Amino acid sequence: EDQVTQSPEALRLQEGESSSLNCSYTVSGLRGLFWYRQDPGKGPEFLFTLYSAGEEKEKERLKATLTKKESFLHITAPKPEDSATYLCGSRGGNTPLVFGKGTRLSVIA
Amino acid sequence: DAGVIQSPRHEVTEMGQEVTLRCKPISGHNSLFWYRQTMMRGLELLIYFNNNVPIDDSGMPEDRFSAKMPNASFSTLKIQPSEPRDSAVYFCASSPRDSMNTEAFFGQGTRLTVV
Repeated sequence: EDQVTQSPEALRLQEGESSSLNCSYTVSGLRGLFWYRQDPGKGPEFLFTLYSAGEEKEKERLKATLTKKESFLHITAPKPEDSATYLCGSRGGNTPLVFGKGTRLSVIA
Repeated sequence: DAGVIQSPRHEVTEMGQEVTLRCKPISGHNSLFWYRQTMMRGLELLIYFNNNVPIDDSGMPEDRFSAKMPNASFSTLKIQPSEPRDSAVYFCASSPRDSMNTEAFFGQGTRLTVV
């Protein structure tokens, strides 16, 4: 069964304190690893798609990386506006997109 | 573009009643997805349409759930009869390409409470 596990469940950072969020996935024939950001009361907002091990993508203070078993979302010098829940999802073969339960990030000024 | 539009934003209904959730995808997008989000199970894909045709409904929990897409600009998710365990936030999303491997744009969601 395809699974996506995100850790930690919650993370509290001081403004400027860099860190990483982890997404472990088990899927046969990965067809895409997705990162989304979700603010309270809103729908998820697309951030990145990664397709193969070694691939990296960046957007402002965020960088996503991918290995054969994990993806990391690195946050460099975060600001309070980066506070949100970050969701990771994967799809493989003929299976539907599976999401993890997310990491709730709080960045304190 | 106004983005994906869902209605209603909030719905409270009694157990046994029929509930219909509505979605207008982004104009020009030809893939549409319905998701359900709960604290316990996270975000789950229910069904996926491509060019108005249901492609993958393996996530639909049971026969009480049904989804339609009569045209490119409208979709519904119906629950009949509703049960308290159906309480969740339901999201609709659309994508500009014919594949599950591409990014999807989400609506604001419908918060459903079944009492």
